[in-house]
Amino acid sequence: AQKVTQAQTEISVVEKEDVTLDCVYETRDTTYYLFWYKQPPSGELVFLIRRNSFDEQNEISGRYSWNFQKSTSSFNFTITASQVVDSAVYFCALSEDSWGKLQFGAGTQVVVTP
Amino acid sequence: DTGVSQDPRHKITKRGQNVTFRCDPISEHNRLYWYRQTLGQGPEFLTYFQNEAQLEKSRLLSDRFSAERPKGSFSTLEIQRTEQGDSAMYLCASIPGASGREKLFFGSGTQLSVL
Repeated sequence: AQKVTQAQTEISVVEKEDVTLDCVYETRDTTYYLFWYKQPPSGELVFLIRRNSFDEQNEISGRYSWNFQKSTSSFNFTITASQVVDSAVYFCALSEDSWGKLQFGAGTQVVVTP
Repeated sequence: DTGVSQDPRHKITKRGQNVTFRCDPISEHNRLYWYRQTLGQGPEFLTYFQNEAQLEKSRLLSDRFSAERPKGSFSTLEIQRTEQGDSAMYLCASIPGASGREKLFFGSGTQLSVL
């Protein structure tokens, strides 16, 4: 059975601080896909990244970076130099079929204050 | 792309009433998904369609729930005899059939409150 754990319920930071969101997953499959989505107050989930289980390269996109470690079943997300617009709920998710059936974690609320 | 559209945005109903939600996916997206999200939790998969065929239903989808996608375009989700436990955000998402399938495009959801 799949499971995604986001142990941090809420993280509060002051603008320009870095923030790291933890994600630990469980799956029996050797092929799987990991995702991060952002849910701002408007409610619409926004795709941030997808990683397949064979690609352990870390990725950087602007102020966002992701650290994928199969040895610890973790797929952590870091926002560098946070901004108020980063305030949102961030979800980590796992899929075994690369399409749209995702198992989401409970989410981490990020609050960035000026 | 006009995005995934959901209607209504909010629905308040009394326990025991039936409700129906509509989702219009992005044009040409073959797969359409329904998710449910309760307060403080991540979205949970309910069901999905490939064109007009409903290919999978979660155990969360009780007999009171029915979803359709009659012409492979828009979809409806109906809940019969609503219960207070049905109160949640119902999210629709779509994905292309071939290339570009790496990400789901979500709508803004329908917030259901059952009194």
